[in-house]
Amino acid sequence: KNEVEQSPQNLTAQEGEFITINCSYSVGISALHWLQQHPGGGIVSLFMLSSGKKKHGRLIATINIQEKHSSLHITASHPRDSAVYICAVRLGGAQKLVFGQGTRLTINP
Amino acid sequence: DSGVTQTPKHLITATGQRVTLRCSPRSGDLSVYWYQQSLDQGLQFLIQYYNGEERAKGNILERFSAQQFPDLHSELNLSSLELGDSALYFCASSVADSSYGYTFGSGTRLTVV
Repeated sequence: KNEVEQSPQNLTAQEGEFITINCSYSVGISALHWLQQHPGGGIVSLFMLSSGKKKHGRLIATINIQEKHSSLHITASHPRDSAVYICAVRLGGAQKLVFGQGTRLTINP
Repeated sequence: DSGVTQTPKHLITATGQRVTLRCSPRSGDLSVYWYQQSLDQGLQFLIQYYNGEERAKGNILERFSAQQFPDLHSELNLSSLELGDSALYFCASSVADSSYGYTFGSGTRLTVV
């Protein structure tokens, strides 16, 4: 079993829909990251969370440390949001990130 | 442009060869991280350098090595290349340690034929 599990693996939605991507982890962490990888391959760091909730534009990330779970929400989704979204955790005290397998999001116009 | 520069963007080489990937971190960042992204394994952490010294090691093969130079740029050396080494190699940088967040480069796509 992977230390970081994401669901769903693939998600297709219509423009304007509210999107939720989930991330569960099985180990103690010091931080959780949400990353976005576009078809060209480049990776952008969206959020780093250690507790609570963060918002940036139409993106919202939440984390529940007790339940070892995080969600990434996209409101009013747009075709340009189509990308692979990757959850990654920094294990407590360690420097390395452990990555989920990613969620491929496709938003159709 | 994220501020992290990786060269080359694409590299095609034959099995058994050796290549060097280069990463210049964002200005002011002292830490450099190398990651490998392959189709079957996803993203995996290889190694981290902080201000010229190795800080953490992940799933890096013995055929691979890295270093960070006094000007803080880093190089990842891959030798005795195998077909399975074909992957995207990403570099990321952060101010100090990963608690400050990361900035990723655009990656080097390595194809071993």
